[in-house]
Amino acid sequence: SFDLSQPISVSVSPGQTASITCSGGELGDKYLCWYQQRPGQSPILIIYQDDKRPSGIPERFSGSNSGNTATLTISGTQAMDEADYICQAWDSSTVVFGGGTKLTVL
Amino acid sequence: QLQLQESGSGLVQSLETVSLTCTVSGGSISSGTYSWTWIRRPPGKGLEWIGYIYQGGTTFYNPSLKGRVTISVDRSKNQFSLNLTSVTAADTALYYCARGYCSRTSCLVGRFDPWGRGTLVTVSS
Repeated sequence: SFDLSQPISVSVSPGQTASITCSGGELGDKYLCWYQQRPGQSPILIIYQDDKRPSGIPERFSGSNSGNTATLTISGTQAMDEADYICQAWDSSTVVFGGGTKLTVL
Repeated sequence: QLQLQESGSGLVQSLETVSLTCTVSGGSISSGTYSWTWIRRPPGKGLEWIGYIYQGGTTFYNPSLKGRVTISVDRSKNQFSLNLTSVTAADTALYYCARGYCSRTSCLVGRFDPWGRGTLVTVSS
């Protein structure tokens, strides 16, 4: 079966760049989405179709997807960006979610 | 701004049926090329897609749920619903409804936005 693998946690200092990866076989051939989920809140779409931002999502969030790895990059990370980040793709007519990465802003 | 709100059975007995409803506000469930989707998160685990219903009533379900799922729509109430039968402790989860985006030819491609706040379903034995 197709799985998406994410690091359990990533730490970053305020103002620095955070990179969160999502890995899966031939992932670059699929469209990838990223969601942000803060504690007690529902997921929010922050990236779709690999690198597109919905309206209202800050420009500091960007995405890329190539080969077997997709990357969510947060430039100039702010304290409010501390959250879980979850990747999502479609495979064989079903949705696959990554396990999520907890971003800590130290 | 479109909003979704889940409601329904919070505590159910093992082998009974979970029934949840998602009420859509700020837009019509009948407009646009969207799927209306259920997703869940068991405690301590990742998100799991349950299935969707598309305009006209077409449904598509996660095969792992083995025929226990039914999603339906009530356009007059701007709602869609989830029935999950023969539940076990493994079905204990936070259940979300969400709008899915479809292409011109398929709903098996898109993103989910927005999501409801989620409703907790606990299965007791």
